[in-house]
Amino acid sequence: EAGVVQSPRYKIIEKKQPVAFWCNPISGHNTLYWYLQNLGQGPELLIRYENEEAVDDSQLPKDRFSAERLKGVDSTLKIQPAELGDSAVYLCASSTELGELFFGEGSRLTVL
Amino acid sequence: TQLLEQSPQFLSIQEGENLTVYCNSSSVFSSLQWYRQEPGEGPVLLVTVVTGGEVKKLKRLTFQFGDARKDSSLHITAAQPGDTGLYLCAGALGAGSYQLTFGKGTKLSVIP
Repeated sequence: EAGVVQSPRYKIIEKKQPVAFWCNPISGHNTLYWYLQNLGQGPELLIRYENEEAVDDSQLPKDRFSAERLKGVDSTLKIQPAELGDSAVYLCASSTELGELFFGEGSRLTVL
Repeated sequence: TQLLEQSPQFLSIQEGENLTVYCNSSSVFSSLQWYRQEPGEGPVLLVTVVTGGEVKKLKRLTFQFGDARKDSSLHITAAQPGDTGLYLCAGALGAGSYQLTFGKGTKLSVIP
């Protein structure tokens, strides 16, 4: 069974540029998460989807971050414009009905 | 204020030694999960504990959930270099909650 797939693995951009990350969850997992992980820290939730509905986006900085999950499968996370402080690893995860998370390898963003 | 406090933050031990890492909170969790994350990878689920006082074993790893469901420990017997990684605990608040809060993790290095 394929795991959670994320792309790109690495992205280097200059500040004020836009960037987008893509996630394909495990087939059949209705719940999808985007987490942000800074170096040496645990993951912090940005947004959680149940199918195509964003049920928890309270921690998403909505002035520059946006996300969508069209058709309740793949999801994209966008940052526009990026700031230096956005440099981090962006993790996508999907979960079973038991709430056990399966993570992708992450997308490492460097903002110069 | 961090909801989940993990200790120690860093741990470096020799191969063959035993160790225990802790995950503490003032909040009561409906369940608690432990993940291991290797550099450049996403976290991988090790175990989920649900019942207060529950003990689960996974080969050389022993996980315990506190009686009050506010804390947990992970004990590794005869550590191996392959155990090296970041150990994260994550707690779910409320029954059926899909929202996990992660601790900052314990970074373990096992020296051959």
